[in-house]
Formats: sequence, structure tokens, C-alpha cells
Amino acid sequence: QSALTQPASVSGSPGQSITISCTGTSSDVGSYNLVSWYQQHPGKAPKLMIYEGSKRPSGVSNRFSGSKSGNTASLTISGLQAEDEADYYCCSYAGSSAVFGGGTKLTVL
Amino acid sequence: QVQLVQSGAEVKKPGASVKVSCKASGYTFTSYGISWVRQAPGQGLEWMGWISAYNGNTNYAQKLQGRVTMTTDTSTSTAYMELRSLRSDDTAVYYCARPDGGSSSSPLFDYWGQGTLVTVSS
Repeated sequence: QSALTQPASVSGSPGQSITISCTGTSSDVGSYNLVSWYQQHPGKAPKLMIYEGSKRPSGVSNRFSGSKSGNTASLTISGLQAEDEADYYCCSYAGSSAVFGGGTKLTVL
Repeated sequence: QVQLVQSGAEVKKPGASVKVSCKASGYTFTSYGISWVRQAPGQGLEWMGWISAYNGNTNYAQKLQGRVTMTTDTSTSTAYMELRSLRSDDTAVYYCARPDGGSSSSPLFDYWGQGTLVTVSS
């Protein structure tokens, strides 16, 4: 199972919105609405931010939202804040396994 | 509150084995599985597999089949991940995580351990 494709890096200024894409295939992202997004700060464990494509766990800011179109899932962060600077990973159900994206480093300028 | 507490860092020689533990608390251990995810230095996350804490069923990533064994001890609410025939590219932080969603391949991990660094070096 190949890793999902994410841009290596994205950046934005405080208050702006950014979107991170996660491209898979018809065997994973395209066939199931089971994509999760994780935020990881340096030296820390990942934190669940979005699940089942667009649902937010309790306690996660509504500035984070998820969507999907075809084989591509997206994470949008609105009203960027300094603390949003981190690595972001998507993860999809792929039938017999789960598969992660390669990760995207978000820089808040 | 749900907690997953992992064992400490390990240094192993190539060809050796390592066994990492993950002690769960704050929930009914047998109501969920445990998944394992690893992260090589400076690299992304990699799903390694899953074990049911209810009946011990497992689902391993194809690339690790034959080298990895996941087990649980329900008497202590602890999960274990053993990796054999270690190579330098197994050097990574190994995380346990609690999957939600009812599938062995669920991508929904709501709680994570703190990670265990395994270094493979001669």
C-alpha cells in the first residue's frame, strides 16, 4: 500500500486560511469517507484533529475543517495562529490496512 | 482519563529483537484494540498493525509480516509489540494508539502513547 500524497510544506500568515491536500486512490481515499487528520508538534505524539473526513473531536477548534472530493481529502485551517505551526498527516482506511500521508509542514509566517 | 504509557528507550544491535510495551488505563481495555505506528527520524508516520484486546486477533502491515508480533495481557491492560531481525532502518519512535471505529484498519486513533525510541546500531 503506497503512502498518500501530501505537499511537503505550506505556509500562511496569521489570520489567513490554508488548505492541505491528501491524494490517494480509488482503493483508499476515493472509496471510503474514513480519512483522519493528525497534528504533530516536534517531539510530541500526533493529535487527532479530524476524523471520518469532516468530523471534529471534542476540544478541537472549529478553525479546523475537513472535506473530500474524489480521491483527494483536504484539511483547511482558518484564522491561522502561531500555535498551528506543526506537521500534519492524513490517514485513510485502505481495506486491509491503514495508510498515512507523507506529512506536510505548516509554517506560520 | 484515558492514558497509554509506553516503556522506555531501547538500543539494539542489528539482528536482535525488541519488545515495546504499552500500558492502558482509564477505559475498558478489552473494548478496544491497540494499533502500532512508527516514525523514523525526520520521516512520516507508518502504520504497523493492530491487535484486538478482546480476542487477540491481529492485522499486520504486509511489509512487516513475519518480523512483527503483537500481543496483549488483559490482566495488566498492557499491549506489546515485538519486532525481530532488526535492521538500521527500523530505527524509529514507536507509538501505540487506541483505534476507534470497529475495524482492524481504522485510521481513527483518538489516544496515543508518548512514544518509545528504538535505535538499531552496531
